[in-house]
Amino acid sequence: QQKVQQSPESLSVPEGGMASLNCTSSDRNFQYFWWYRQHSGEGPKALMSIFSDGDKKEGRFTAHLNKASLHVSLHIRDSQPSDSALYFCAASEQGGQGGRALIFGTGTTVSVSP
Amino acid sequence: ETAVFQTPNYHVTQVGNEVSFNCKQTLGHDTMYWYKQDSKKLLKIMFSYNNKQLIVNETVPRRFSPQSSDKAHLNLRIKSVEPEDSAVYLCASSYRDFNYAEQFFGPGTRLTVL
Repeated sequence: QQKVQQSPESLSVPEGGMASLNCTSSDRNFQYFWWYRQHSGEGPKALMSIFSDGDKKEGRFTAHLNKASLHVSLHIRDSQPSDSALYFCAASEQGGQGGRALIFGTGTTVSVSP
Repeated sequence: ETAVFQTPNYHVTQVGNEVSFNCKQTLGHDTMYWYKQDSKKLLKIMFSYNNKQLIVNETVPRRFSPQSSDKAHLNLRIKSVEPEDSAVYLCASSYRDFNYAEQFFGPGTRLTVL
């Protein structure tokens, strides 16, 4: 079973709407989280990282981390068609230090309709 | 702007053949990775290399072997491919000792085994 689970599997959002993605880890060693986005035919690209409890905002994107419940979420405000992509939550034990590989979640496909 | 380059983009081969994929990064990173993305889009780490030393080696079949000539290059060789090796192989790079190091991905090599 995947150590990092995401929900929902897919999500349809109208242009200008809010998209909310969820991620839960089953391993308490994973304390550092990233959100990556992958457009079709491309490699994943980092959107943002979050390592402390609470909210972190970068432009239209807001991540929230609750370390006690190992739950992290991503909210996309004012969704644009260019936000249509596969979104991954990724976790690591050391935040990437020491060359640790990322453990990726199951992914959420976001479709933004004009 | 692409800074992690992978060749070839696509490769079709027969069961039992040997294949080799190339990866080069121009970011000055000291750690490189190979991930496998299967038909369900799940991303899993295969190998990571730091200063020509293998530092993470997940339980992948022995027919897979990473090969590095310097810290900017990490190739992947597959001896005697099998149908389940059909996937997209993604190369990534990062700094090993930089706190919270983001991983940068290439566009991937899609392998189809007939």
